[in-house]
Amino acid sequence: AQKVTQAQTEISVVEKEDVTLDCVYETRDTTYYLFWYKQPPSGELVFLIRRNSFDEQNEISGRYSWNFQKSTSSFNFTITASQVVDSAVYFCALRGSSNYKLTFGKGTLLTVNP
Amino acid sequence: DGGITQSPKYLFRKEGQNVTLSCEQNLNHDAMYWYRQDPGQGLRLIYYSQIVNDFQKGDIAEGYSVSREKKESFPLTVTSAQKNPTAFYLCASSSLGAVGYNEQFFGPGTRLTVL
Repeated sequence: AQKVTQAQTEISVVEKEDVTLDCVYETRDTTYYLFWYKQPPSGELVFLIRRNSFDEQNEISGRYSWNFQKSTSSFNFTITASQVVDSAVYFCALRGSSNYKLTFGKGTLLTVNP
Repeated sequence: DGGITQSPKYLFRKEGQNVTLSCEQNLNHDAMYWYRQDPGQGLRLIYYSQIVNDFQKGDIAEGYSVSREKKESFPLTVTSAQKNPTAFYLCASSSLGAVGYNEQFFGPGTRLTVL
């Protein structure tokens, strides 16, 4: 069985603060894929990143960075110098190699205040 | 522009009526999916389809039906058998890559309210 846990239900920060969203996963697959999606108030999910289990390099994209640690089964997402436009619900998701199905966490609502 | 369209954006129906939600994609993706999202919850998979004329139940298929007559289209019918149909419905699609299905791309969603 697969499981994704996002323990932080809501986070509120002031603009320009750094913020880290936590994601912990469980899977029996030796090969798997992790994803982060952003859901702004409009509702559409926006794909942010995919990380393969065999590639443990961390990734940076502008103000976004992702820390993948297989040893702790975590795939955390950091936004540096947050902006009001970053306000959204962020979902972490997992797909095992043995299937196509995405298992989603319950999401973290990030509010960035001016 | 390539993408996924869902219509309508908002839908109101009376209890006991069937209703069909539209999902179309022009990304030439093989697989399509339907998810349901309830307030404060993650997404739950209703149905998915990997090829035309074939589809599989997801985690919460009861009370829903789908068809996949064309690669681009994957409509979802919410039947009167669905006990609590009021929710936000999201359609997604993905392409088949070298190591399975790639990331899923989502449509804008349909918010269904049953009165």
